[in-house]
Amino acid sequence: GAGVSQSPRYKVAKRGQDVALRCDPISGHVSLFWYQQALGQGPEFLTYFQNEAQLDKSGLPSDRFFAERPEGSVSTLKIQRTQQEDSAVYLCASSRDGAEQYFGPGTRLTVT
Amino acid sequence: AQSVTQLGSHVSVSEGALVLLRCNYSSSVPPYLFWYVQYPNQGLQLLLKYTSAATLVKGINGFEAEFKKSETSFHLTKPSAHMSDAAEYFCAVSDSSGTYKYIFGTGTRLKVLA
Repeated sequence: GAGVSQSPRYKVAKRGQDVALRCDPISGHVSLFWYQQALGQGPEFLTYFQNEAQLDKSGLPSDRFFAERPEGSVSTLKIQRTQQEDSAVYLCASSRDGAEQYFGPGTRLTVT
Repeated sequence: AQSVTQLGSHVSVSEGALVLLRCNYSSSVPPYLFWYVQYPNQGLQLLLKYTSAATLVKGINGFEAEFKKSETSFHLTKPSAHMSDAAEYFCAVSDSSGTYKYIFGTGTRLKVLA
């Protein structure tokens, strides 16, 4: 079946703009994760959903970051008033049971 | 708190030589451990996982890893490197309960020399 898809694949935003990043998980996967990967670093956890419930948002770096999954399927990560330090690849992963995660190709965000 | 350390940010091997990528973890609860590979401009692909069954885990593309609790290690090996193995490799740990969120190492870039 289809894997995890993310859109857009590339996004350039001017500093101060709002952006929205979309994740389509594998059908039937209950768990959904967002990670942020800075250049040359490993991915870092941002937030976790089980169905539509956001159970862990401890990794969100500031209140400018907001994530939702209203119907327990597609998820959107929104960043308000983007800053240069937000430039990174944002990875989405989904899982049937949480233990094994399947990753999408990521969205590369560049803030100028 | 959990953490992962990958020794060696860059590793070079000759084609046909042994590949050894090191990973040490810290966890206060029984961990789940994973190795992922990332090719340029792509997402992460699971190579193998340890979830408290056999300590020697075999994965895709000829890779394997051994969980050693006494050494808190989960090193990745492959007997004979191929040019197509050149990529970035990430070790990750998650707890066996709760959210299962991953803690990743900083990655090791593998270069394979002809």
